Amino acid sequence: DAGVIQSPRHEVTEMGQEVTLRCKPISGHDYLFWYRQTMMRGLELLIYFNNNVPIDDSGMPEDRFSAKMPNASFSTLKIQPSEPRDSAVYFCASSLIGGGEQYFGPGTRLTVT
Amino acid sequence: AQSVTQLGSHVSVSEGALVLLRCNYSSSVPPYLFWYVQYPNQGLQLLLKYTTGATLVKGINGFEAEFKKSETSFHLTKPSAHMSDAAEYFCAVSPNNNDMRFGAGTRLTVKP
Repeated sequence: DAGVIQSPRHEVTEMGQEVTLRCKPISGHDYLFWYRQTMMRGLELLIYFNNNVPIDDSGMPEDRFSAKMPNASFSTLKIQPSEPRDSAVYFCASSLIGGGEQYFGPGTRLTVT
Repeated sequence: AQSVTQLGSHVSVSEGALVLLRCNYSSSVPPYLFWYVQYPNQGLQLLLKYTTGATLVKGINGFEAEFKKSETSFHLTKPSAHMSDAAEYFCAVSPNNNDMRFGAGTRLTVKP
């Protein structure tokens, strides 16, 4: 398996623009997680899905953030409108079972100017 | 609520010296425990995990960790540090067998 795939790897955008981050989990994994990593706050869980259903989105910072998982092989994290404080590395991870080992993608480095 | 505390945001050791990275968790029931490593510009990868059974867990790259329930600890050790061990290390707990909570991370520096 190719592992968790994220795109783009790098994104630079201007404040106010819409940003869409994409993730393809490992085939057969029922759980998908979105994290944000910054120097100030470390690694934060934003939202996770089980069988394409959002289970806990309490980590989503505000209404500008939304996440979807239309099918078992694809998820998006959207920020609209983007702000400079959204600059971070966003990771997607998947796992076979809840509480099990999570496999991380390479991350998307987002810079909002 | 479940939480993870990693003592020391930065640890520096000499090559060949013992590596000890500390992790304590708060939990009312024994959780699943993990150590992950993150190399620069990469995602996290699993070093080792504890679920049930033997409390001394061996992982990749010569690392091991011991689950001590009485101390609510899961410290990571390696007898002899290598330059390639320089990275950031995260302790994590799965409180409800669904999601995972990560510690703040410890950056390990290895001096030649």
